[in-house]
Amino acid sequence: GQNIDQPTEMTATEGAIVQINCTYQTSGFNGLFWYQQHAGEAPTFLSYNVLDGLEEKGRFSSFLSRSKGYSYLLLKELQMKDSASYLCAEVDSNYQLIWGAGTKLIIKP
Amino acid sequence: TAGITQAPTSQILAAGRSMTLRCTQDMRHNAMYWYRQDLGLGLRLIHYSNTAGTTGKGEVPDGYSVSRANTDDFPLTLASAVPSQTSVYFCASSESAGGLGRDTQYFGPGTRLTVL
Repeated sequence: GQNIDQPTEMTATEGAIVQINCTYQTSGFNGLFWYQQHAGEAPTFLSYNVLDGLEEKGRFSSFLSRSKGYSYLLLKELQMKDSASYLCAEVDSNYQLIWGAGTKLIIKP
Repeated sequence: TAGITQAPTSQILAAGRSMTLRCTQDMRHNAMYWYRQDLGLGLRLIHYSNTAGTTGKGEVPDGYSVSRANTDDFPLTLASAVPSQTSVYFCASSESAGGLGRDTQYFGPGTRLTVL
């Protein structure tokens, strides 16, 4: 079956940069999503990668290496409001999303 | 703009009782989904619908049923609730049904269900 791995929790300082990694199984890969989820709220879309390389969107960037089964989400100039869980989801061969358990990011002043 | 609405926001249910979780979207999206989210686990797909009139089973369909009578509504029914169905339930939708994974999924606010 599919397996999505991402760290359970990370801590970073306001104003700094943090990289959240995600690894997945490469067979039947059709793309990778990153979502943000604040506590008690719904997940919201951040990015989608299907080709290798870096996609930049303001303070957030997402990187994909298909050969390595690896993606990361890079958050720059961290703000307190970035405290949330970040969910990695792989699009499998059936075009269903397989979700990681999420990385809880704690921002300290 | 409403997007996706879910009802109720939260519910405590006695084991053995039935319940329907409601989900309505106003974006005219073709595809809709039901997920459950449990602590320490990723979102798990319960059922999905590619278009009105069709439904499919996801990763954890047992104990749940769905219907898709029209584009906007996608209710989830628990016929006889058990404590293991205690979870947060999210409904989501996406524009296209053809390439499901390639379309951004938009989520409702969730229903927190406790089965005692």
